[in-house]
Amino acid sequence: ETGVTQTPRHLVMGMTNKKSLKCEQHLGHNAMYWYKQSAKKPLELMFVYSLEERVENNSVPSRFSPECPNSSHLFLHLHTLQPEDSALYLCASSQFRGSYEQYFGPGTRLTVT
Amino acid sequence: GQQLNQSPQSMFIQEGEDVSMNCTSSSIFNTWLWYKQDPGEGPVLLIALYKAGELTSNGRLTAQFGITRKDSFLNISASIPSDVGIYFCAGRSGGGADGLTFGKGTHLIIQP
Repeated sequence: ETGVTQTPRHLVMGMTNKKSLKCEQHLGHNAMYWYKQSAKKPLELMFVYSLEERVENNSVPSRFSPECPNSSHLFLHLHTLQPEDSALYLCASSQFRGSYEQYFGPGTRLTVT
Repeated sequence: GQQLNQSPQSMFIQEGEDVSMNCTSSSIFNTWLWYKQDPGEGPVLLIALYKAGELTSNGRLTAQFGITRKDSFLNISASIPSDVGIYFCAGRSGGGADGLTFGKGTHLIIQP
């Protein structure tokens, strides 16, 4: 595997379910990010991790819980989501926290029913 | 928060035509980036710009960092079918912010 991978690519879940999104980067980067992409809206930054430590949380509801066990893996744990949380969730990585160039995974298309 | 105004929202062009799109901001950015996103995929970095006035090319793509540091332009010459997709501008203003601010995208459609 190369670059940034995300699983699953598609996920349908009910509002009472608990699920997790996984991201893995094979680039040797030290910073990882979660973005939300909704239709007709700009990408929204959700979380930033640098060397496994969360450094930024853009006022994301607590029903989204990130986890970064090491610099190559990033998870987004989901519970009691709302239909408006349906979106494409993108993971990205960069060499360092301040690096401008971020590399994205293919995303997980999430549908909350 | 910061916003980027990207235009046009969509473009319908003929194969072989040149394409121009731009992005403006009300605040100064230190870095401008241009990404392309194909259906079902994540954005792919095309060009990164770091200095005001900088002009950078990547094959048929050319991007410029505006002198005022509040805008950027992307041009595609002699478009081909695989250029179809959504093009996003993104910027960073510095000041410790880690994430990128994205425009809403320009949807490029090439008519045969």
